[in-house]
Amino acid sequence: GAVVSQHPSRVICKSGTSVKIECRSLDFQATTMFWYRQFPKKSLMLMATSNEGSKATYEQGVEKDKFLINHASLTLSTLTVTSAHPEDSSFYICSARTRAGGQGGYTFGSGTRLTVV
Amino acid sequence: RKEVEQDPGPFNVPEGATVAFNCTYSNSASQSFFWYRQDCRKEPKLLMSVYSSGNEDGRFTAQLNRASQYISLLIRDSKLSDSATYLCVVNTGNQFYFGTGTSLTVIP
Repeated sequence: GAVVSQHPSRVICKSGTSVKIECRSLDFQATTMFWYRQFPKKSLMLMATSNEGSKATYEQGVEKDKFLINHASLTLSTLTVTSAHPEDSSFYICSARTRAGGQGGYTFGSGTRLTVV
Repeated sequence: RKEVEQDPGPFNVPEGATVAFNCTYSNSASQSFFWYRQDCRKEPKLLMSVYSSGNEDGRFTAQLNRASQYISLLIRDSKLSDSATYLCVVNTGNQFYFGTGTSLTVIP
């Protein structure tokens, strides 16, 4: 089945630094990728939708300049948390939509647990 | 109004019990529906899609009621390994909307 590889799985960084999270579709081409954020005991909140070769669409309240998304190829999308602060600490998950629909239409990466100290 | 509403629980049930979760959605144009399972500190994984005719996969039965705009998940003969958070997901247009998740703990 469709697999999305997300790295790193866990990162601890100092306040003010930037962190890049990668999501790769391993055996299919992901024309659309979704980036979510999940707080403890809360559901996933969509941050942005990235389409290969075009600018990402951000959800209301999500800062474009803080959460930079790049979807340069059909197999790779990246989320960069710039100038991270402790309040950015969270679980970030990507998901990719397969062209053919696939497993429920999309597959999740394994998530990245970001801790900003 | 939220796109998807789901009772967060928690549901604590003994092994072997039958438990049901419901989820309502607000947009009548929503096209497809899913139940995902999320274990603690892990990513959600697809449990099953939900079809209008209802569908069953072993101990799990999913149903969709378009008229009332709700979906349900029934788990029979609960196992300890069923303990997790169950998320209902609704696809509307190009967007996927998640419920808050329902926490289930199966007790020995």
